[in-house]
Amino acid sequence: DQQVKQNSPSLSVQEGRISILNCDYTNSMFDYFLWYKKYPAEGPTFLISISSIKDKNEDGRFTVFLNKSAKHLSLHIVPSQPGDSAVYFCAARDSGTYKYIFGTGTRLKVLA
Amino acid sequence: NAGVTQTPKFQVLKTGQSMTLQCAQDMNHEYMSWYRQDPGMGLRLIHYSVGAGITDQGEVPNGYNVSRSTTEDFPLRLLSAAPSQTSVYFCASSPSDRLNTEAFFGQGTRLTVV
Repeated sequence: DQQVKQNSPSLSVQEGRISILNCDYTNSMFDYFLWYKKYPAEGPTFLISISSIKDKNEDGRFTVFLNKSAKHLSLHIVPSQPGDSAVYFCAARDSGTYKYIFGTGTRLKVLA
Repeated sequence: NAGVTQTPKFQVLKTGQSMTLQCAQDMNHEYMSWYRQDPGMGLRLIHYSVGAGITDQGEVPNGYNVSRSTTEDFPLRLLSAAPSQTSVYFCASSPSDRLNTEAFFGQGTRLTVV
């Protein structure tokens, strides 16, 4: 029973365009959401996060949007760069158990 | 600036063997956790710890044991390795489970069980 879902296993985007990665969740106890980026043979690295009391957080080219009523969050990368090519995981923290649950990941490929 | 250190980086085991994957962090973080990454399955939580002496089960705990005798170390034990435990294992730590902070990951241990 996947509590955090990333329904797109892969995404290809042209350099300079916007990349939009989506994530859905089912657990209403999640109160903190994060995006991680992972290159091959490396551990995941933190990218950006958002608290459940906010609906948007921006950091440079990266913006995360949270729609609590739809239990949906998205990561926007503008403009996309070839170095952004990686696997992106969304994660959510359960405010009751403090477990961090990850999605299945989306492989982003930015084409030069 | 070590961060989260996992050893070994690679390991091949025979079915039925036991081994311990080591994880150490030097950031004085309270919260530590173990994940496994499998194709199409993302990162799944095996066990986690909110502080020394406290551990709890994650999503896929069967076949694994953990202990947290110190703040720095959080070893993961495979009691009797099975081919289904072939995976890449990641250890992570964060300052606290309650603060809104990110988790820092180690470089991973690639385990093959034959």
